[in-house]
Amino acid sequence: AQRVTQPEKLLSVFKGAPVELKCNYSYSGSPELFWYVQYSRQRLQLLLRHISRESIKGFTADLNKGETSFHLKKPFAQEEDSAMYYCALRTGFQKLVFGTGTRLLVSP
Amino acid sequence: NAGVTQTPKFQVLKTGQSMTLQCAQDMNHNSMYWYRQDPGMGLRLIYYSASEGTTDKGEVPNGYNVSRLNKREFSLRLESAAPSQTSVYFCASSFGGWNTEAFFGQGTRLTVV
Repeated sequence: AQRVTQPEKLLSVFKGAPVELKCNYSYSGSPELFWYVQYSRQRLQLLLRHISRESIKGFTADLNKGETSFHLKKPFAQEEDSAMYYCALRTGFQKLVFGTGTRLLVSP
Repeated sequence: NAGVTQTPKFQVLKTGQSMTLQCAQDMNHNSMYWYRQDPGMGLRLIYYSASEGTTDKGEVPNGYNVSRLNKREFSLRLESAAPSQTSVYFCASSFGGWNTEAFFGQGTRLTVV
């Protein structure tokens, strides 16, 4: 079965500190992995996808198939990064499942 | 640019009442999804439609039915609402190809009393 685990419900850091939001997945096939973000009073939106290997708003995420992880990282957190972050996995049958989310709170 | 549109935005139901949540997308997407969002439980997949004419159960389908009316529209029906179905419901759509982005509606806040 497909499963996404985000172990932290809340991650609280100070501005300028490094951030790592953890995501582990369970899927026997070739995974498609994403990070989505929901800012206050806004729609859920894509932050980045593993295939692109891009950096968006200073965030990066590397797929580690050996550890079945897709952790989201940013070297220096900003207050505007405060939001709810969801890791998501899509299977070959187009089923898209999300983790339980991690709320990131960046304090000044 | 409408994107994914959900109606209604808010709804209060009495236990046992029925209602249909509507979702429409104007991006010519093949795949559509319904999720519920509850505190501490994140987004849970209720049903999805990989392509027009197909629907499949997600993680929490009990108490719900769906209809993929056409390529644009994907509705979610609660036949007999229960307080446990109080939640925020999100519809989403995507092209469905490799690593394509899902776009979300603004959500429907449903309260069952």
